[in-house]
Amino acid sequence: QVQLQESGPGLVRPSQTLSLTCGVSGESITSGKSYWTWIRQRPGKGLEWIGYIYYSATTHYNPSLKSRVTISLDTSQNQFSLRLNSVTAADTAIYYCARDRDEYNYRGIDSWGQGTLVTVSS
Amino acid sequence: AIQLTQSPSSLSASVGDRITITCRASQVLSSALAWYQHKPGRAPKLLIYDASNLESGVPSRFSGSATGTDFTLTISSLQPEDFATYYCQQFNTYPLTFGGGTKVEIK
Repeated sequence: QVQLQESGPGLVRPSQTLSLTCGVSGESITSGKSYWTWIRQRPGKGLEWIGYIYYSATTHYNPSLKSRVTISLDTSQNQFSLRLNSVTAADTAIYYCARDRDEYNYRGIDSWGQGTLVTVSS
Repeated sequence: AIQLTQSPSSLSASVGDRITITCRASQVLSSALAWYQHKPGRAPKLLIYDASNLESGVPSRFSGSATGTDFTLTISSLQPEDFATYYCQQFNTYPLTFGGGTKVEIK
């Protein structure tokens, strides 16, 4: 049973950097079985894929955020992180970390953190 | 990016009803599509992967199918705990994308 837990500030000032960490238990983030993913949901909107990092440090990002986003691994702590630069009010959202499972090339996001609300406001 | 258009965007139904939600892709996806259930204040839950495979532990009243670029999620007999928003997601091409969601409400 893989469990994920987001942590980080709930309030970020405009133009600053949003930083969140996702602690993972139940699987090593270097297992090669999963893509470690960030997803967000802005108020009143649907789910938006931000990007992922693989154990090899390969990343894929949503082009709409690519110039501002970085996802990284911390293998010593079995966690991965999200950094989003130059935030505006439009980045206010619930941020989820998640495991995108890759089994026999069948993909699906089967484990999610509880989600953390990040508000961008001065 | 592949666009996923879900229809309807919302529906009202009664317990015991059979409902179908459609997700239309803007281009061919193969079968690399998943469905999720999302309730307020909760994390989304994976229901279906690879278009028609039922995730372990998900009730058999949920099923998925695909025809060309059209994917469907069917709930054969709606239960009280099924009232939620449902999303499709494609894994065929980066960036991965979600449909806009279908909110299932109690009639």
